[in-house]
Amino acid sequence: DAMVIQNPRYQVTQFGKPVTLSCSQTLNHNVMYWYQQKSSQAPKLLFHYYDKDFNNEADTPDNFQSRRPNTSFCFLDIRSPGLGDAAMYLCATSRTTGRGQFFGPGTRLTVL
Amino acid sequence: GQQLNQSPQSMFIQEGEDVSMNCTSSSIFNTWLWYKQDPGEGPVLLIALYKAGELTSNGRLTAQFGITRKDSFLNISASIPSDVGIYFCAGLTNNLFFGTGTRLTVIP
Repeated sequence: DAMVIQNPRYQVTQFGKPVTLSCSQTLNHNVMYWYQQKSSQAPKLLFHYYDKDFNNEADTPDNFQSRRPNTSFCFLDIRSPGLGDAAMYLCATSRTTGRGQFFGPGTRLTVL
Repeated sequence: GQQLNQSPQSMFIQEGEDVSMNCTSSSIFNTWLWYKQDPGEGPVLLIALYKAGELTSNGRLTAQFGITRKDSFLNISASIPSDVGIYFCAGLTNNLFFGTGTRLTVIP
């Protein structure tokens, strides 16, 4: 089955210690997105890639970076995690912008 | 940014009852989506609506794209315990704008 995969499902890091979350997709979609979701809130878009073109949201902190080495993979790097960065991180894909997005299962990040 | 308001915020219903929730926006959207999210999981796309006035069903779920393009509703018929979760509407332009969510609890 075509799908969006996120690893790991749970990640624990220490305050200030860099962490990388990964996402892969077998849908061959052009667009990959990263969202942050805090408890009882809707997902909040951090940035997206359309192919290799990176599009950052205006209010995404510089602490968050992303890489997309090929069509299938996209990474979220948090350079210096703070306690406020503890959240569920969701990866999503879509064939193009303006089409329905398909989400992965998420990675729950804990910052100690 | 666009504000999407969902109502009700939460619902407690008996198994077998029908459910209705809606979403309103201050802006026009060309596409409306409905997602369900289980605890600890990512949102799952339930229904996508691409045309004003469109009525689409997916099993026991029915959703409509409002004529004004500023609203949408989702109905669930004959609810079952596994319908429990948070339902999000989302309006789509180039980006996805999520509603505030409706938390559904189904009492067996």
